[in-house]
Amino acid sequence: AQSVTQLDSHVSVSEGTPVLLRCNYSSSYSPSLFWYVQHPNKGLQLLLKYTSAATLVKGINGFEAEFKKSETSFHLTKPSAHMSDAAEYFCVVSAPGRLVFGQGTRLTINP
Amino acid sequence: GAVVSQHPSWVICKSGTSVKIECRSLDFQATTMFWYRQFPKQSLMLMATSNEGSKATYEQGVEKDKFLINHASLTLSTLTVTSAHPEDSSFYICSATPPGQGIGYNSPLHFGNGTRLTVT
Repeated sequence: AQSVTQLDSHVSVSEGTPVLLRCNYSSSYSPSLFWYVQHPNKGLQLLLKYTSAATLVKGINGFEAEFKKSETSFHLTKPSAHMSDAAEYFCVVSAPGRLVFGQGTRLTINP
Repeated sequence: GAVVSQHPSWVICKSGTSVKIECRSLDFQATTMFWYRQFPKQSLMLMATSNEGSKATYEQGVEKDKFLINHASLTLSTLTVTSAHPEDSSFYICSATPPGQGIGYNSPLHFGNGTRLTVT
């Protein structure tokens, strides 16, 4: 079965510093992995996706993620946080006919 | 890009009444749409898979008689919360994938902006 674990429920960083949101996955076959962002009372927006091509995936708004099969990880990073990055982030793994969501990580940006 | 529209964005209703939420794919036809429920500070929980022209597939523990889903056309799925109670208050989100991209494996879903339901 497919599952995903986001290791931090809340991450707080200062504006201009790096962001790291951690995600580990479990899948019985080669997975497709996604990161989505959700701003308050909004739907989800796709940041980036991994689909067995390059292991380093670049997304929108300066985010990127690296697929590490040996570590079953798909951590999301950004070199320099911006105030507008404050939101909820979801790591997602594909399963037959559906997506499986992590519990989410709330990112807070301190001025 | 693919756009999914959800309406209303928020609704307040009295206990015992029914509420209908619409999910539309604006620039593509969607044979399959998904309905999620999200409690405060929690992740999305898949409620049901809506299939055009056939019955919806409900997840375990979701009452199909309470959460009626109708997918009458390739661009519209509706979720009706019947006889709503305060515990039904939640954030409901729909999603869909453009045709030809498959479901789940390497195709990200496109999400509506959600509907905040408050039952008083």
